[in-house]
Amino acid sequence: GENVEQHPSTLSVQEGDSAVIKCTYSDSASNYFPWYKQELGKRPQLIIDIRSNVGEKKDQRIAVTLNKTAKHFSLHITETQPEDSAVYFCAALYTGTASKLTFGTGTRLQVTL
Amino acid sequence: NAGVTQTPKFRILKIGQSMTLQCTQDMNHNYMYWYRQDPGMGLKLIYYSVGAGITDKGEVPNGYNVSRSTTEDFPLRLELAAPSQTSVYFCASSQGLEGTEAFFGQGTRLTVV
Repeated sequence: GENVEQHPSTLSVQEGDSAVIKCTYSDSASNYFPWYKQELGKRPQLIIDIRSNVGEKKDQRIAVTLNKTAKHFSLHITETQPEDSAVYFCAALYTGTASKLTFGTGTRLQVTL
Repeated sequence: NAGVTQTPKFRILKIGQSMTLQCTQDMNHNYMYWYRQDPGMGLKLIYYSVGAGITDKGEVPNGYNVSRSTTEDFPLRLELAAPSQTSVYFCASSQGLEGTEAFFGQGTRLTVV
C-alpha cells in the first residue's frame, strides 16, 4: 500500500515569511495529491490539490509542486499570516483496486508576530 | 446541504462496552472513509468503502467493524472498547477516483476509561 512521509513535523515562521512543507510518497500509481488544513479542534479542510499530470498549481498565497520522478510534492505558503497557524496534512490517492486516501503525519505550522 | 454528519460528537465508554459511531452524507458520494486521529498525530485509515455493499480494511482495522448498506450511511462499530481506542474519529466521503475532494465530518471524540 501507499506510504506518505511528511516533513517537518513542526515549523515556526515569522509573519510575512514563507513556509514550505514537503511530502514523499511510495506508490508510483498515486495520481492525486491534496493538502488539508486542520485548525485546532476542527475537521480537516482541503486547501489545494494537484493531479499527476500537472507540475505546479497556485492559489493566491498557496502553491503546490509535484515531482513525479522523485515521488515528492511540496506545499508553499508565502507572506504567512497568523491565521495560517494550523496543522497541515498532505495526502496521496492510491487507486490500486479502490480509491484509498493516505495521509502524511502532519506539520504543525506556527506563525509568530 | 449538510455534507457529512457524524454522531455523537463526544462519548465516554467503559472498557469492554460497545458502541456505533454514525456517519451519513447527503452528497451521493460513492467513497466513504473512517479515520482515527490520536492526539498530536496524523490521520490513520481504519476502513473504507467504494460503494454500497463494499468495504475494505485500511491501515488500523483491528477492533472495528463497518457496514455499508446504503450510499448515505457508513457506521463504525466498536465491539469491545479498549483504552487504545481513545481517539478522535473522522468520517469522510468523496465522489471517488482521482481529483475529487474528500469532505470530513466534524469528528467524534471518544474516550475509553
